[in-house]
Amino acid sequence: RKEVEQDPGPFNVPEGATVAFNCTYSNSASQSFFWYRQDCRKEPKLLMSVYSSGNEDGRFTAQLNRASQYISLLIRDSKLSDSATYLCVVNDRYTGNQFYFGTGTSLTVIP
Amino acid sequence: GAVVSQHPSWVICKSGTSVKIECRSLDFQATTMFWYRQFPKQSLMLMATSNEGSKATYEQGVEKDKFLINHASLTLSTLTVTSAHPEDSSFYICSAASQGAGANVLTFGAGSRLTVL
Repeated sequence: RKEVEQDPGPFNVPEGATVAFNCTYSNSASQSFFWYRQDCRKEPKLLMSVYSSGNEDGRFTAQLNRASQYISLLIRDSKLSDSATYLCVVNDRYTGNQFYFGTGTSLTVIP
Repeated sequence: GAVVSQHPSWVICKSGTSVKIECRSLDFQATTMFWYRQFPKQSLMLMATSNEGSKATYEQGVEKDKFLINHASLTLSTLTVTSAHPEDSSFYICSAASQGAGANVLTFGAGSRLTVL
């Protein structure tokens, strides 16, 4: 079983739509959770960290459900510029500071 | 915020030559850096974990004699692709963990696109 699993998509949504991605992780001892964004032929960049209480940054909302071991990312009012691959990353710093990646979810926002 | 610099961004080389890629943490110290490879339309694949002052830890299936990693200082790790062949052509990305707000945050270099002719 993979450490982190994501639906690879692709998700094709119209501008203005709301889209949600989920990511599950297998290690219940994981401490830190992140969403990264990767544009085509570029490196991943941190979109937001995910906190236990949930957090929001503009149109983006991230939530963590420890009981079910999943994190989610919600994008409201999708823009064309949101088209990218979204990576779920989980960190377990107590076992060698390993970072585990999902395979990424591809999002295309259509005019 | 934390910055990771990777050089070169692009490299084209002949088959059989060796290519060195550098990864530097510019404003923080990184005892651990990570090297990834990404083929077109595929996900990031962790190749190895680079540890300052000790040997790198390679993922299963990654040849340590082909992909030499040196992490001689707290701000620099290098990846050398030895005797490169066309199948080694890929996007190589490094990353380093820095201390964020109560957690380690991963910052990536801009990547190095290797083309082996």
